[in-house]
Amino acid sequence: GAVVSQHPSRVICKSGTSVKIECRSLDFQATTMFWYRQFPKQSLMLMATSNEGSKATYEQGVEKDKFLINHASLTLSTLTVTSAHPEDSSFYICSAQRPDSKNNEQFFGPGTRLTVL
Amino acid sequence: LAKTTQPISMDSYEGQEVNITCSHNNIATNDYITWYQQFPSQGPRFIIQGYKTKVTNEVASLFIPADRKSSTLSLPRVSLSDTAVYYCLVGGGSGYSTLTFGKGTMLLVSP
Repeated sequence: GAVVSQHPSRVICKSGTSVKIECRSLDFQATTMFWYRQFPKQSLMLMATSNEGSKATYEQGVEKDKFLINHASLTLSTLTVTSAHPEDSSFYICSAQRPDSKNNEQFFGPGTRLTVL
Repeated sequence: LAKTTQPISMDSYEGQEVNITCSHNNIATNDYITWYQQFPSQGPRFIIQGYKTKVTNEVASLFIPADRKSSTLSLPRVSLSDTAVYYCLVGGGSGYSTLTFGKGTMLLVSP
């Protein structure tokens, strides 16, 4: 199997605080992990691609200083939303790619619902 | 990255076969076609992937014509639990690994 977990599943925080979301590949080592954001009734938007041991690659329009990504091991990537504001409220989803994956298949986590008050 | 076009929504009834067609006119030679299913407040779930002709697994079939400019996801005998958003993606060929999600198709299955 290829199971990806996220923690927490939902989080509520005050404006101005920072929130960390973890993404773990439970039964495989993921050389590459991806972070997406999804607003209500909209599609997933890729935020960044993270490779173990190197800096993340951010998509255009995504502030790297606001959305800090760390991929310190082959099974864990974290996304930290710094100085969160209500407009950062969204559904954050990670995915992971196996190094032996066929056709670059991605396995998605269950998502984290962030609400900033 | 190849852009995809799908119907925004589709309605069906339990027990019917549902076919969702996706257009991808500028698909590249190395691109594969992948379909994902997403339920509300959950991450997408892989359904099926193909390159050409027909692919079938335990949940769906994928039909791809020779020119590969479109593809059709076929869900046999849908049930209420198949109500979800279905995304068609192209890519995954050698050289890059990012996925670009289009708007998807909201399938509503009624009793």
